[in-house]
Amino acid sequence: DIQMTQSPSTLSASVGDRVTITCRASQSISNWLAWCQQRPGKAPKLLIYKASSLESGVPSRFSGSGSGTEFTLTISSLQPDDFATYYCQQYNSYPYTFGQGTKLEIK
Amino acid sequence: QVQLVQSGAEVKKPGSSVKVSCKASGGTFNNYIISWVRQAPGQGLEWMGGIIPIFGTPNYAQKFQGRVTITADESRSTAYMELSSLRSEDMAVYYCARGGSSWSLPSHFDYWGQGTLVTVSS
Repeated sequence: DIQMTQSPSTLSASVGDRVTITCRASQSISNWLAWCQQRPGKAPKLLIYKASSLESGVPSRFSGSGSGTEFTLTISSLQPDDFATYYCQQYNSYPYTFGQGTKLEIK
Repeated sequence: QVQLVQSGAEVKKPGSSVKVSCKASGGTFNNYIISWVRQAPGQGLEWMGGIIPIFGTPNYAQKFQGRVTITADESRSTAYMELSSLRSEDMAVYYCARGGSSWSLPSHFDYWGQGTLVTVSS
């Protein structure tokens, strides 16, 4: 199975900050990577697919980059709604696997 | 707008089985992979398996082979996930999610159900 490792596990930031979350795959997954956001008690919500494609309706302050084994999710200017947990997910091969999550907290 | 609506919370005893449903509306159901993903309390997300309703052949994660059964009823636009021999470690929120239309083409999950909490307790 492909292992996905996110860093950091927890990130403290303030409204207006620019933040970056990193995701590493244990083997190349080309650009078959998605990012999703999960708020407490809610289902995950797709933000980015194919490493850098923004899902319809998602604010443009979210962006993704990378290919192969290294990927990043950047939020350009944090808004109060953005404090949540973020997961990367590879869909290059089954079983699809997720990173352990990055909890974005208010500083 | 596609919606996946899951069945309600369940409380089960160890050793028993649970069956969760996921009903699709607002879009095509039969041609897309419906996957099941679970999340134990305070933990991450884990893909269990999926099915393309029009073909009916499921694909399971090796970890769950022999314990999970995923089926679909095209006429009801509903997919089901049954997990047997429940143990305490199976206590989790179970989500359905819609993927692509082929097992051989990479596909992200674009729509998710609201989740179903399964509690395993004696």
